[in-house]
Amino acid sequence: SQELEQSPQSLIVQEGKNLTINCTSSKTLYGLYWYKQKYGEGLIFLMMLQKGGEEKSHEKITAKLDEKKQQSSLHITASQPSHAGIYLCGALRPPTDSWGKLQFGAGTQVVVTP
Amino acid sequence: ETGVTQSPTHLIKTRGQQVTLRCSSQSGHNTVSWYQQALGQGPQFIFQYYREEENGRGNFPPRFSGLQFPNYSSELNVNALELDDSALYLCASSSTEADNYGYTFGSGTRLTVV
Repeated sequence: SQELEQSPQSLIVQEGKNLTINCTSSKTLYGLYWYKQKYGEGLIFLMMLQKGGEEKSHEKITAKLDEKKQQSSLHITASQPSHAGIYLCGALRPPTDSWGKLQFGAGTQVVVTP
Repeated sequence: ETGVTQSPTHLIKTRGQQVTLRCSSQSGHNTVSWYQQALGQGPQFIFQYYREEENGRGNFPPRFSGLQFPNYSSELNVNALELDDSALYLCASSSTEADNYGYTFGSGTRLTVV
């Protein structure tokens, strides 16, 4: 959806290097979800951000929400082969705007090379 | 705690046929949403069910319909299948009682229309 833009579309990173994925919304965010997907499989929940300025970390993955910019970033430190996959951001809109519907970006494909 | 279970995992149908996909929600979840994910794209919201009624719908024609049962499981029915209906269909469950609006996704059903 153009209302939720992810960048880059794809990236190749050498094992051990860091990477950052961005997700920008043109509409008000009530919450922002990050999921990981292996090709053709279901979505694995990574984390959910709701408050402006919120930052969450899990293992080597950190996500931040900039409420003013309506933007979130996902940062992976010291990437490993297990980090390869498609990363999707999903926007939860305010209750007055399609409550309960997650609007997804097109995804960012991450390839980790030896 | 069981996750979201979808069946079947793969399905091949002929154009014009009808198909039913099934989803068992995660224990404790009372809301089910369905998404369609075409190849190379992010998931698109089809509809959501809560208390056995449709509670929000995306931009999909009426030939996409659903049901939710008293045990919160759900079905997605698609009539008069078209080639463009070929996609990964994802089911997600959530709880209106939870504070974090977490959405748990199943592994999906891969539908191929020939």
